Amino acid sequence: NAGVMQNPRHLVRRRGQEARLRCSPMKGHSHVYWYRQLPEEGLKFMVYLQKENIIDESGMPKERFSAEFPKEGPSILRIQQVVRGDSAAYFCASSPGTDLVGYTFGSGTRLTVV
Amino acid sequence: DQQVKQNSPSLSVQEGRISILNCDYTNSMFDYFLWYKKYPAEGPTFLISISSIKDKNEDGRFTVFLNKSAKHLSLHIVPSQPGDSAVYFCAASAWGNEKLTFGTGTRLTIIP
Repeated sequence: NAGVMQNPRHLVRRRGQEARLRCSPMKGHSHVYWYRQLPEEGLKFMVYLQKENIIDESGMPKERFSAEFPKEGPSILRIQQVVRGDSAAYFCASSPGTDLVGYTFGSGTRLTVV
Repeated sequence: DQQVKQNSPSLSVQEGRISILNCDYTNSMFDYFLWYKKYPAEGPTFLISISSIKDKNEDGRFTVFLNKSAKHLSLHIVPSQPGDSAVYFCAASAWGNEKLTFGTGTRLTIIP
């Protein structure tokens, strides 16, 4: 039973380019969460999605960031016109939605903006 | 506004001894608390949790204590083993909310 799969593991983008981060939840999990970890900080919540719905995007920056979880395929976190401050580790988690203990994190995507 | 605080960035403990990691929170709406362990280049792994209706939860070598009046929780690891060397994050959530608020982490080093 594969865990939460994130790709790519590492992504380098030049300032102004777009970054697309993918997350495939665990089998049977219908809830997906994205978190960002800046250097020397804890994980910060960004967005919580269920299939085809954004449930809570209170942690998403107002501009350049968007997320989706389509009916088919992985969840995508998209960052347009990246800036150096977007450099961070982005973690996806999934859960069956029954309780928080079932929250499982992927290994993350490390985004570096040069 | 840091609602979950881990005031010790690092901690070194001799193998076999007890490791105690601390966490404080400010939001009185938090009622569920979790500890995660994280190795470099990996995602956080769930360790143990506690609901606000309890003051202690135990799982093998790991025990979490919750003091609601002080808004403080701690993770005890005994005996500490070299494989416990990692960064430990405390996280909290409010009832009905699947969003987790994390502390900044404590790097635990177990000295052989």
